[in-house]
Amino acid sequence: DGGITQSPKYLFRKEGQNVTLSCEQNLNHDAMYWYRQDPGQGLRLIYYSQIVNDFQKGDIAEGYSVSREKKESFPLTVTSAQKNPTAFYLCASTLGRGLINRYNEQFFGPGTRLTVL
Amino acid sequence: AQKITQTQPGMFVQEKEAVTLDCTYDTSDPSYGLFWYKQPSSGEMIFLIYQGSYDQQNATEGRYSLNFQKARKSANLVISASQLGDSAMYFCAMRGPSGNTPLVFGKGTRLSVIA
Repeated sequence: DGGITQSPKYLFRKEGQNVTLSCEQNLNHDAMYWYRQDPGQGLRLIYYSQIVNDFQKGDIAEGYSVSREKKESFPLTVTSAQKNPTAFYLCASTLGRGLINRYNEQFFGPGTRLTVL
Repeated sequence: AQKITQTQPGMFVQEKEAVTLDCTYDTSDPSYGLFWYKQPSSGEMIFLIYQGSYDQQNATEGRYSLNFQKARKSANLVISASQLGDSAMYFCAMRGPSGNTPLVFGKGTRLSVIA
């Protein structure tokens, strides 16, 4: 079955540590995205990548880093510079070709809940 | 810049009744798409319905329909015959004009269906 996998589902981090959240998709999608969701809030964009070896900052990129070495993979590193990293992190992907249409639906992974101890 | 506004933090609806969740948007792009997602307590994001800015008819998907009023820049979600399983967070989002730009989300509406 095609889809997006995120691991781990739950992650605990000590203050001052860097952690990496995994995101893999087998949908052959060009574009991938990372969002952060705080309790009772909407989704805020951290980083996105429209093609391999290229990515752009979103609205809240400070304290985060990403890489896109393979089409299928878009890992997110939460660095110690991120002051309040406890949140729910969602990875998403889109076929991403052409103009906007119904088939540019954004598919989401199941998410990773990060807690800083 | 694109912006989505959802003004209802929470809504209650009786089982089997219809409910409308409000969404207004702002964009300077003539071509854009509007999406609605459902997020149950498990956290997964479930795509519900899509409306393109040039679509002549309002979108429908089963019990979900979209009341699209382009001049008012609103894209309200209508859920008919509410079920207990509809209790969740609902997010309105938009993208445009190309197919790979990130979705911009509203803050969501929490819907609670009462038996």
